[in-house]
Amino acid sequence: DGGITQSPKYLFRKEGQNVTLSCEQNLNHDAMYWYRQDPGQGLRLIYYSQIVNDFQKGDIAEGYSVSREKKESFPLTVTSAQKNPTAFYLCASSPGVAQHFGDGTRLSIL
Amino acid sequence: GQQVMQIPQYQHVQEGEDFTTYCNSSTTLSNIQWYKQRPGGHPVFLIQLVKSGEVKKQKRLTFQFGEAKKNSSLHITATQTTDVGTYFCADREYGNKLVFGAGTILRVKS
Repeated sequence: DGGITQSPKYLFRKEGQNVTLSCEQNLNHDAMYWYRQDPGQGLRLIYYSQIVNDFQKGDIAEGYSVSREKKESFPLTVTSAQKNPTAFYLCASSPGVAQHFGDGTRLSIL
Repeated sequence: GQQVMQIPQYQHVQEGEDFTTYCNSSTTLSNIQWYKQRPGGHPVFLIQLVKSGEVKKQKRLTFQFGEAKKNSSLHITATQTTDVGTYFCADREYGNKLVFGAGTILRVKS
């Protein structure tokens, strides 16, 4: 069954800790994206990757980092530099037009 | 950067009533995409509009792109309880980046 898998579904971060959110897709899409969703706001782009071993900053990249070593995987690390990380994080992939989203990871601060 | 405004923020309708959400920009939009996010779910692609003045229909949903490509609308005829959720418009920019509006939350009373 093709799709995008995000894990974990819920994640808690302690002060000063880096955490990594996983995103895996088996749709054979070249492009992948990370968004942050806060209540009452639309999705804001954190990072995106058009092809393996290449990625670009989105509108709110500060405090986040990514890698794209494999076509299927685009993990997002929320670093301790991100002072307000509590949000719903969505990963997406695209074959060119529509973006297909995973079920998201909800990150909270302990 | 590009800003996409969406109104209303929230609408509560009686089942069977019509619903419209509007997407506006002060600058020319490239291509407009519409997504629906059910409560607790992830955004799902509905449609993309490309041409000035374009109108597309999907069953009870009608999508329009303004003549000047600065606004778009989504109209739902005779709402049903299955229509509940948040409707987002997004401007598709260079590099397949999406700039999302804040969304319109639709609630339907049965």
